[in-house]
Amino acid sequence: EAQVTQNPRYLITVTGKKLTVTCSQNMNHEYMSWYRQDPGLGLRQIYYSMNVEVTDKGDVPEGYKVSRKEKRNFPLILESPSPNQTSLYFCASSLLKAGGLDEQFFGPGTRLTVL
Amino acid sequence: DQQVKQNSPSLSVQEGRISILNCDYTNSMFDYFLWYKKYPAEGPTFLISISSIKDKNEDGRFTVFLNKSAKHLSLHIVPSQPGDSAVYFCAASTQGGSEKLVFGKGTKLTVNP
Repeated sequence: EAQVTQNPRYLITVTGKKLTVTCSQNMNHEYMSWYRQDPGLGLRQIYYSMNVEVTDKGDVPEGYKVSRKEKRNFPLILESPSPNQTSLYFCASSLLKAGGLDEQFFGPGTRLTVL
Repeated sequence: DQQVKQNSPSLSVQEGRISILNCDYTNSMFDYFLWYKKYPAEGPTFLISISSIKDKNEDGRFTVFLNKSAKHLSLHIVPSQPGDSAVYFCAASTQGGSEKLVFGKGTKLTVNP
C-alpha cells in the first residue's frame, strides 16, 4: 500500500530535550516536505527536499533541522524544543513532474506537546 | 503576508445542495492550484487541482474554477453529502520555479443531513 508513515503519532516532551520525528514513504517520491498545522494558521511549510542530500527552508524553519540521506526517509529534528513548537506536524511526499510539483501525499500527523 | 487566503473559516450547507468554497491569492506568479480535504485525526488528502492555463477542472461532484484576473478560485461540490464534511485547504505553487506549496488557513465545511 502506497503511504507516508510518521512516528511517533503522539509525543509529549519537555523544553530542551532533543527529539526526532521520523517520516518514510514507499512511493519512490523525489520530493518530501514537513508542515505544521496550528489553529487559525493553516498549514505552514517548515522544510522541503527535492531529492537526496538536497534540502531547503520553508516558511517557518527556525528551531528545526532535517536531513535526507535516503530517498524514502526525511526525519524532522528539534534540537532544543520549546513550547511554541507544540503543534500538529505533517510529512508529505510527491513526485516531481515537468514544471514542478505533483499532488502531495500526506502522513497521518504527529501531535507534539512541549511542556 | 498571507499569499493564499480563505476568508470563510466555516461553511454550513444542506445535503443535496451546492457547496462553494472560495480562495484568493495575491502572488501573480502562482500558476498551479490544488484543493485538499482534511478529516480530523488524518492527514490532508488531495482532491483536485487546476493549472493556470485552464479556467475550469471537473472531477465527479467536484469542480474548481479559476479566475486569473481576479486572482480567485473556487471549489464547487454538487451535490453535497454529509461525508464531505471536513476542512478544505486551498494551496498554490509556482510551476518551474519555487517548489514550495503555500496553503490557505482552511474552511471547515459542514453538510447537514
